[in-house]
Amino acid sequence: GAVVSQHPSWVICKSGTSVKIECRSLDFQATTMFWYRQFPKQSLMLMATSNEGSKATYEQGVEKDKFLINHASLTLSTLTVTSAHPEDSSFYICSASPSREYVDTQYFGPGTRLTVL
Amino acid sequence: GQNIDQPTEMTATEGAIVQINCTYQTSGFNGLSWYQQHAGEAPTFLSYNVLDGLEEKGRFSSFLSRSKGYSYLLLKELQMKDSASYLCAVRDLADKLIFGTGTRLQVFP
Repeated sequence: GAVVSQHPSWVICKSGTSVKIECRSLDFQATTMFWYRQFPKQSLMLMATSNEGSKATYEQGVEKDKFLINHASLTLSTLTVTSAHPEDSSFYICSASPSREYVDTQYFGPGTRLTVL
Repeated sequence: GQNIDQPTEMTATEGAIVQINCTYQTSGFNGLSWYQQHAGEAPTFLSYNVLDGLEEKGRFSSFLSRSKGYSYLLLKELQMKDSASYLCAVRDLADKLIFGTGTRLQVFP
């Protein structure tokens, strides 16, 4: 149980285009979903926290207009990287928590590797 | 501020025991988790400690001392497949996970 999927697993795009990444909880309802970014040989950096039906909360330094997050249902959150640039190339990982009270139990998706040319 | 420190790299031999340390200084504390991450993959949950002491789970154990801001992950009977990065993460008062830089463990035969 507690499986989280991400789609696509990897994407290559041209500079200036937008890319949408989906995160789904397959066998549980995710009240809270988190989006992380990980650069090579670095740790995960939290970008934003989203709760179903409300606006995402972004971490300091993360541009909300560039990284659009939508958590429209209890099983799906999407991250759209708008007008992507090479510096946005990274490993994007989502995680889902079944409850606001138990966010220590975060189940991670397999990640999406984004390469912007 | 938030500061979580781990050694960058460690090496060990198959069958041995290795201890990966983590020290933290955070503005709030609601528990500490350890995750394993193989290259190019997402982290997988290993353990969670919120009270002082040792939690054992098979070959892996995790220890926490809140007064010292210190935790360690103990891996016994090391196997080649244990070669991975091990991430220490503190849950803060806002229920967010703050990750350390990770420790890359290489297990040699």
